[in-house]
Amino acid sequence: RKEVEQDPGPFNVPEGATVAFNCTYSNSASQSFFWYRQDCRKEPKLLMSVYSSGNEDGRFTAQLNRASQYISLLIRDSKLSDSATYLCVVRDGNQFYFGTGTSLTVIP
Amino acid sequence: DAMVIQNPRYQVTQFGKPVTLSCSQTLNHNVMYWYQQKSSQAPKLLFHYYDKDFNNEADTPDNFQSRRPNTSFCFLDIRSPGLGDAAMYLCATSTHLAGGSGNEQFFGPGTRLTVL
Repeated sequence: RKEVEQDPGPFNVPEGATVAFNCTYSNSASQSFFWYRQDCRKEPKLLMSVYSSGNEDGRFTAQLNRASQYISLLIRDSKLSDSATYLCVVRDGNQFYFGTGTSLTVIP
Repeated sequence: DAMVIQNPRYQVTQFGKPVTLSCSQTLNHNVMYWYQQKSSQAPKLLFHYYDKDFNNEADTPDNFQSRRPNTSFCFLDIRSPGLGDAAMYLCATSTHLAGGSGNEQFFGPGTRLTVL
């Protein structure tokens, strides 16, 4: 079983739509959780950390459910510039476990 | 700005010809990582250092070696590159503190390796 499971998509949504990505992880003792964004042929960049209380950064909202071992990312009012691959990442000690990434294309 | 730097950004080598990729960081992080990433796949961890302690992934081929001469620098040596080793190689750093803020990974821009 993979450490982190993520729906690979692709998600093709119109501009202005709301889209949600989900991710599950296998180790209940995992300490930290993140969403990274990766553009084509570029390095992953931190989008946001995910906290137990949930957190929001502009149009982006991240949620963590430790009981269900589930992480989500909600993007509201999608922009063309949101088109990218979104990686769910879980930290256990010094190990970072990556989901396969979810591909998002925002269509004009 | 504190950052992770990788050189070169693009590397072309011949089949079987040794190649070294380099990474440096100004973040003073304890932990440095090397990942291999192929198209449409997640980054795959090759190994990581916690200070000078080397941690190899079980499925990393012997063809891949690493050196960390000091906190700031880390090298990836590919002894005999094969066609299947063509990929993006990503260096990343983190603090050793798994909880709290600022405990994410910071990535360099990557080195794209082509094997002819």
